[in-house]
Amino acid sequence: NAGVTQTPKFRILKIGQSMTLQCAQDMNHNYMYWYRQDPGMGLKLIYYSVGAGITDKGEVPNGYNVSRSTTEDFPLRLELAAPSQTSVYFCASSSATGGGNTIYFGEGSWLTVV
Amino acid sequence: QKEVEQDPGPLSVPEGAIVSLNCTYSNSAFQYFMWYRQYSRKGPELLMYTYSSGNKEDGRFTAQVDKSSKYISLFIRDSQPSDSATYLCAMSAIIIQGAQKLVFGQGTRLTINP
Repeated sequence: NAGVTQTPKFRILKIGQSMTLQCAQDMNHNYMYWYRQDPGMGLKLIYYSVGAGITDKGEVPNGYNVSRSTTEDFPLRLELAAPSQTSVYFCASSSATGGGNTIYFGEGSWLTVV
Repeated sequence: QKEVEQDPGPLSVPEGAIVSLNCTYSNSAFQYFMWYRQYSRKGPELLMYTYSSGNKEDGRFTAQVDKSSKYISLFIRDSQPSDSATYLCAMSAIIIQGAQKLVFGQGTRLTINP
């Protein structure tokens, strides 16, 4: 019952450092997403992918990069971390059956930039 | 104006009460309307989704959509302490090739008191 797995769960970064948030799903879903959730706010889409090798920007992509070399994995890269990137990050995936299909979320990665 | 507006609460009610949660939206392109439940330190999980105007019932939960008023609601009957969580409304439009862009409300924090 793995579903969407995110690592690490918690991380503290210093300003200017870089890191990668890992995301893996075992449901053979084509679509994968990265969201961030700030306190008291809804989730905002950072990047998404419609399949291996295909990625595109969401609403708030600045300061992030992604890659999708396999169906299962969708890592999110933070370059030159800034305090504004302190947030909770959620990876999600969904199947390729069109709109309305369930989007499954991971348990989140809590990131603090100091 | 935000695309989706949701009263953040917090909302505190006694066990057994009927709970009403609401969201308004401004984008007529939204096609699917969802309610997610998010427990503390966890990812959102899909509770219900609807496509058309009207009501959809699932056990103690009823989702209602009024597209003409751009208004959606979630009703919880016979509320239980285990229903205590943050409830997020979300609406989706297809971005490209079947990928969904979910736009979330801020979330309403609900506490059911025994």
